[in-house]
Amino acid sequence: QGQLVQSGAEVRKPGASVKVSCKASGYMFTAYAMHWVRQAPGQGLEWMGWINAVNGNTGYSQKLQGRVSITRDTSASTVYMELNSLRPEDTAVYFCARKGLTTYDTWGQGTLVTVSS
Amino acid sequence: DIQMTQSPSSLSAFVGDRVTISCRASQGVRNALAWFQQKPGKAPRLLLFAASRLESGVPSRFSGSGSGTDYTLTITSLQPEDFATYYCQQYSETPPTFGQGTKLEIK
Repeated sequence: QGQLVQSGAEVRKPGASVKVSCKASGYMFTAYAMHWVRQAPGQGLEWMGWINAVNGNTGYSQKLQGRVSITRDTSASTVYMELNSLRPEDTAVYFCARKGLTTYDTWGQGTLVTVSS
Repeated sequence: DIQMTQSPSSLSAFVGDRVTISCRASQGVRNALAWFQQKPGKAPRLLLFAASRLESGVPSRFSGSGSGTDYTLTITSLQPEDFATYYCQQYSETPPTFGQGTKLEIK
């Protein structure tokens, strides 16, 4: 069925960068695209972007374009999400989510990123 | 972007009740509509996709309906473990977008 395990919580100062990893297991890594979704404290779900695990093609939300980068390492079955020029409003739990035939059928456990001076 | 609006934002019910949550899209999403359940401190869990198709392992007391711009999640005979926040999501167009959530609380 598959499992996604994310890296641990991070604390950063405004203006810094953060890179969160998402390791996939239990399925063929290149068979599914991976997306990233974030959730600010007490708020709803916001799509950030995605990566084609086969060829590395990506797409990003307009809001985050230029600050977010999603990459993958097929040999490690791992996807990375890097967010630059962090602001306090980027404080959120960041989820990776596998896109099945329709939508997100498997999620990582979430990684809390706190941006504070 | 397609805006998704859920109603109500919160809801109180008893164990054993039947509840309905609505989701309206700002334009038609051609049944490319999913429902997720999220419990505090956990990742969302896919319940239904294609508006009415139950994800594997999800109890049959969850059902979905609708078409065009208007969709509904129904939970019959609420169980204690069903108290959570529910989100609809359209995946008809990029970017995929979510409703603001409906918090289902025990009465």
